[in-house]
Amino acid sequence: KQEVTQIPAALSVPEGENLVLNCSFTDSAIYNLQWFRQDPGKGLTSLLLIQSSQREQTSGRLNASLDKSSGRSTLYIAASQPGDSATYLCAANSGYALNFGKGTSLLVTP
Amino acid sequence: EAGVVQSPRYKIIEKKQPVAFWCNPISGHNTLYWYLQNLGQGPELLIRYENEEAVDDSQLPKDRFSAERLKGVDSTLKIQPAELGDSAVYLCASSLWSPTGPNTGELFFGEGSRLTVL
Repeated sequence: KQEVTQIPAALSVPEGENLVLNCSFTDSAIYNLQWFRQDPGKGLTSLLLIQSSQREQTSGRLNASLDKSSGRSTLYIAASQPGDSATYLCAANSGYALNFGKGTSLLVTP
Repeated sequence: EAGVVQSPRYKIIEKKQPVAFWCNPISGHNTLYWYLQNLGQGPELLIRYENEEAVDDSQLPKDRFSAERLKGVDSTLKIQPAELGDSAVYLCASSLWSPTGPNTGELFFGEGSRLTVL
């Protein structure tokens, strides 16, 4: 079974810092990897989807990379803002459904 | 374009009572998922539908949980009877499945239905 791990579990940074969230998965035979944001009491908002043939995807201040062979993905957030505070989840698609990590809880302080 | 719609957003019931959750996926999406999310955890798949067919329900506790997706659009998830341990958020998601192989589409989630069992 695909196991997805996210490090760190929690992160607190001052506004303006660049930061990296890490995601690792045990089965490299994935079809895509998706990063989500979840605000308290809310559903999941899709941030970026990286297909298995791609190495990275960018959206605004967000950049996600994928290294299938090593079973790793990173989410880079540039110039963090207090509004970025949320839980970030990565999920690996091994064929028919997503397997999620437990998430990284991010707090950006003014 | 409307996103995935779920109802109710919140439900409080006493144990042993039944409860049902409803999901309307994004128009045109033929794959629908029900996930369970406990506090501080990532979502876990309960069941996946391709059109009307449940293609993966291995994680659905079939003694008390049931689901259906009539006409391949809306779906309902039912728990009967509910237990204290069922308190969680029930998330519905949908995607567009490619007939040429495993789903490579992007998943979109609803706001979730938060269940509290007393």
